[in-house]
Amino acid sequence: EVQLVESGGGLVQPGRSLKLSCVASGFTFSNYGMNWIRQAPGKGLEWVAYISSGSSYIYYAETVKGRFTISRDNAKNTLYLQMTSLRSEDTALYYCARQGIAAIPLDYWGQGVMVTVSS
Amino acid sequence: DIVMTQSPFSLAVSEGEMVTINCKSSQSLLSSGNQKNYLAWYQQKPGQSPKLLIYYASTRQSGVPDRFIGSGSGTDFTLTISDVQAEDLADYYCLQHYSYLTFGSGTKLEIK
Repeated sequence: EVQLVESGGGLVQPGRSLKLSCVASGFTFSNYGMNWIRQAPGKGLEWVAYISSGSSYIYYAETVKGRFTISRDNAKNTLYLQMTSLRSEDTALYYCARQGIAAIPLDYWGQGVMVTVSS
Repeated sequence: DIVMTQSPFSLAVSEGEMVTINCKSSQSLLSSGNQKNYLAWYQQKPGQSPKLLIYYASTRQSGVPDRFIGSGSGTDFTLTISDVQAEDLADYYCLQHYSYLTFGSGTKLEIK
């Protein structure tokens, strides 16, 4: 069974940093691209970042480019999102999601981890 | 960047009725290489993570009931839910994955 479990969220002050993790199981993690998606309270879904299976290709949404860094450790089956210079508008539930094979998008999602940016 | 315009914002129907949700992209999502439309639909039930329903505009994900039907091509797409059930109460999102990823703004489906 495919499982994605996020952790590392919490309350953080504006301008500070936070690092999220997503541990994958039930599939060969190193064969799949991965994404971070976020959802502000009561709002819609926003794609944040993508990393290819071997980390060769990395893309960011304009809203986080230069502040967030996506990375992965295939030996540990873990995806990361390093977030710096956090703003109140980064407050959201952050999901990790697997990119399916044959360009099928976001076929499995984690349960999400909450990040609250507030003083 | 590709902009996705989704409508309506919300709708309320009775069980057994049919609903239609629309999504329009600012540019074509049809790949000339494989003739596939890079458009997917997701269902997000209250308190849950989104679930993939439809990909390539009309292909149902494994396990998705056949009352969920995706259609359209190019820039105009539709999700039709026939014979709506109480369990279909959810938010529905379209997603373009032709160039990066962009979600529609969502449609809230309520059951009368």
